[in-house]
Amino acid sequence: EAGVAQSPRYKIIEKRQSVAFWCNPISGHATLYWYQQILGQGPKLLIQFQNNGVVDDSQLPKDRFSAERLKGVDSTLKIQPAKLEDSAVYLCASSSSGGAGDTGELFFGEGSRLTVL
Amino acid sequence: AQSVTQPDIHITVSEGASLELRCNYSYGATPYLFWYVQSPGQGLQLLLKYFSGDTLVQGIKGFEAEFKRSQSSFNLRKPSVHWSDAAEYFCAVGGGSGYSTLTFGKGTMLLVSP
Repeated sequence: EAGVAQSPRYKIIEKRQSVAFWCNPISGHATLYWYQQILGQGPKLLIQFQNNGVVDDSQLPKDRFSAERLKGVDSTLKIQPAKLEDSAVYLCASSSSGGAGDTGELFFGEGSRLTVL
Repeated sequence: AQSVTQPDIHITVSEGASLELRCNYSYGATPYLFWYVQSPGQGLQLLLKYFSGDTLVQGIKGFEAEFKRSQSSFNLRKPSVHWSDAAEYFCAVGGGSGYSTLTFGKGTMLLVSP
């Protein structure tokens, strides 16, 4: 079974530029998450999708971050304009949803490391 | 709001010695608890999870964890550490529903000395 795919793995940009990250979840997983992991900290949820609808985006800085999952499969996270403090690893995760026995386990991709200069 | 505290930022253990990583959680209902491991430059890999039943859960790579509701703890243990266990370990709590959101601790970096 293929895992969660993310690209690009690494990106270096200057502040005020824009960047986009792509994620393809495990096939059949309805729930998709974007987490931000700043160096030395645990992952922090940015946004959670259920199919193509947003479940939770309370911690997404909406003035500069946006995310979409138009067809309920893959997703794109965009930052525009980037700030120095956006330097982090952006992790995408997916999980199956609903039904008995759902343990809420998340499966993570390898992440996209962003450096803002 | 749910939260996780991992009180130890770094821990150094000699190879072959036992290990215990601490995790305390705050959650309003019955929690689902997880331990993930992250090697440098890699994503997070699930070590083990607890959602019901036996409070002592076994995971991969010889790890185990014990859920103690009275102490709101879910500590990770391994009887004999190997050099390849050096990594960062994250404890997480969630509700386990279809809309489950995991909240992570800040992580504990495990260093293994020869």
